[in-house]
Amino acid sequence: GAGVSQSPSNKVTEKGKDVELRCDPISGHTALYWYRQRLGQGLEFLIYFQGNSAPDKSGLPSDRFSAERTGESVSTLTIQRTQQEDSAVYLCASSLVRSIGGNTIYFGEGSWLTVV
Amino acid sequence: QKEVEQNSGPLSVPEGAIASLNCTYSDRGSQSFFWYRQYSGKSPELIMFIYSNGDKEDGRFTAQLNKASQYVSLLIRDSQPSDSATYLCAVTDYGQNFVFGPGTRLSVLP
Repeated sequence: GAGVSQSPSNKVTEKGKDVELRCDPISGHTALYWYRQRLGQGLEFLIYFQGNSAPDKSGLPSDRFSAERTGESVSTLTIQRTQQEDSAVYLCASSLVRSIGGNTIYFGEGSWLTVV
Repeated sequence: QKEVEQNSGPLSVPEGAIASLNCTYSDRGSQSFFWYRQYSGKSPELIMFIYSNGDKEDGRFTAQLNKASQYVSLLIRDSQPSDSATYLCAVTDYGQNFVFGPGTRLSVLP
């Protein structure tokens, strides 16, 4: 696609429910990133995929969070038993990994999650 | 732990002035450096990247990199009210790990 596509754009869920957020990266981009941004806060790294492997899962805040990626395409971020502190915008980004320079990452518009 | 630090601001400058945004990073292995702009309620958008020491200019924006001092900056000339946003510095090694700073909030006063 032309850009990084995320769905849903907005999600309101009840505390304790599971949610699934989807990211479709730019075609041909091998690297995919998930970030969380709470209101008025900076970007919090969650997980990075290179292809369908996740060499860096260090940012996942708890075992309620998991992510997977199919090949070099769509990724899903799953939050189980949602809590109110999970309310945030979840940003997905992708990049075409090269050796040096120009490893720009491009962001989607985000999935705004509200847990009530 | 790789860290990127920025002054959170807000940085206020009058319209037409030069805004100077600064960023320091901890990982000497960092190779590429990026500036993103984020308007309230929107996702970050790329302004420019730099990977060689020195200056890189793009329109009203100039990025400056000093790897010895582990310092990167962004200058915005002729600042406009539309430049009011949060500016995020990001640092990466060979594209494996993007680390973002907390962002500096810039306010350009008409």
